[in-house]
Amino acid sequence: KQEVTQIPAALSVPEGENLVLNCSFTDSAIYNLQWFRQDPGKGLTSLLLIQSSQREQTSGRLNASLDKSSGRSTLYIAASQPGDSATYLCAERPGTGANSKLTFGKGITLSVRP
Amino acid sequence: GAGVSQSPSNKVTEKGKDVELRCDPISGHTALYWYRQSLGQGLEFLIYFQGNSAPDKSGLPSDRFSAERTGGSVSTLTIQRTQQEDSAVYLCASSSPPRTEAFFGQGTRLTVV
Repeated sequence: KQEVTQIPAALSVPEGENLVLNCSFTDSAIYNLQWFRQDPGKGLTSLLLIQSSQREQTSGRLNASLDKSSGRSTLYIAASQPGDSATYLCAERPGTGANSKLTFGKGITLSVRP
Repeated sequence: GAGVSQSPSNKVTEKGKDVELRCDPISGHTALYWYRQSLGQGLEFLIYFQGNSAPDKSGLPSDRFSAERTGGSVSTLTIQRTQQEDSAVYLCASSSPPRTEAFFGQGTRLTVV
């Protein structure tokens, strides 16, 4: 059974700092991995999707990487801002293919202090 | 539509009553998922529909929970004889192969009193 782990559960950084959020998964045979953001009381917003054949994806100040051999993905946030404060979740889709469900980590709650 | 739409956004119900939660996926998306998020907890998978295939119901917590998807589009999650432990935010998402990027709705917050 695939497990997705995100450690630490919470993180507090000063504004302007570059930071890395980690995501680990137990089965390296994944189809793709997706990073989401969740603001309090809201649904999930898709940030980046990395297919199994890709090593990284970038969107603005965000960069997500994927290392299947080590079972890890990282989300890099450059020049963090208070507006980045939210919970960040990663989710993997297993290598059985497109017709499979996402397994989520429990998320990392990020607080960026002004 | 422009995004995944869920209704109602909030639902308060009495213990023992039945409730129906609705999800309108993004137009053209063939896959639809239901997840549950309890206070302070992670996302718990409930059920997954993909095209005309039999749904994956492996996450439904009890036989009080059921879901259907009509015409490959709108889905309804039904909870019968609600219990207090059913209180949670119910999230719906849709995607489409091969890219399968999942997009979520804003959720329905269910409170059982």
